[in-house]
Amino acid sequence: DAGVTQSPTHLIKTRGQQVTLRCSPKSGHDTVSWYQQALGQGPQFIFQYYEEEERQRGNFPDRFSGHQFPNYSSELNVNALLLGDSALYLCASSARAGKETQYFGPGTRLLVL
Amino acid sequence: AQKITQTQPGMFVQEKEAVTLDCTYDTSDQSYGLFWYKQPSSGEMIFLIYQGSYDEQNATEGRYSLNFQKARKSANLVISASQLGDSAMYFCAMREALNTGGFKTIFGAGTRLFVKA
Repeated sequence: DAGVTQSPTHLIKTRGQQVTLRCSPKSGHDTVSWYQQALGQGPQFIFQYYEEEERQRGNFPDRFSGHQFPNYSSELNVNALLLGDSALYLCASSARAGKETQYFGPGTRLLVL
Repeated sequence: AQKITQTQPGMFVQEKEAVTLDCTYDTSDQSYGLFWYKQPSSGEMIFLIYQGSYDEQNATEGRYSLNFQKARKSANLVISASQLGDSAMYFCAMREALNTGGFKTIFGAGTRLFVKA
């Protein structure tokens, strides 16, 4: 049973560029949440996708957007990258809109130069 | 708003000894869930243990147990017989309801555990 997978594992971009991160949820899960983890801090909630819709957004600007596909996989897009966007981006999947335990992927390390 | 507090930035423990990682939480909800996750240097957040607010027994998963004291709003993680592979960052977390009916997880700042040989 494959767990949560994310791609790519590492990414280097320059300021102003755009990036797309991908996530495939654990088998049987229908909900995907994205988190940003800055160095030395706990993860911060970006948004959650359930039934192909963004259900809730944390305190992140509109430069952060996402999508969920019919197979429940998800993408996180970040436009106009800033140096402060450098972080580990974690995808978590769960069942029933997050009511069950969230399981996390290995993350994508984004470095913005 | 809910809040998770971990007051120990770093902890040292001798291999094969037990260690307790502290966590306190703040919530006005009657029903809530508490989690502990382990994050090795690779970055992956690994689920360890879950405690529901209405669970009468403290949760246990192998060498991990959760010392749940509801009146004190604490949910400490106890790791017995520490192993070198337990060296990692540990996060206490809580499930928070979203106004859309879903849930998100909020995290504490984490405690870095170092296991000495």
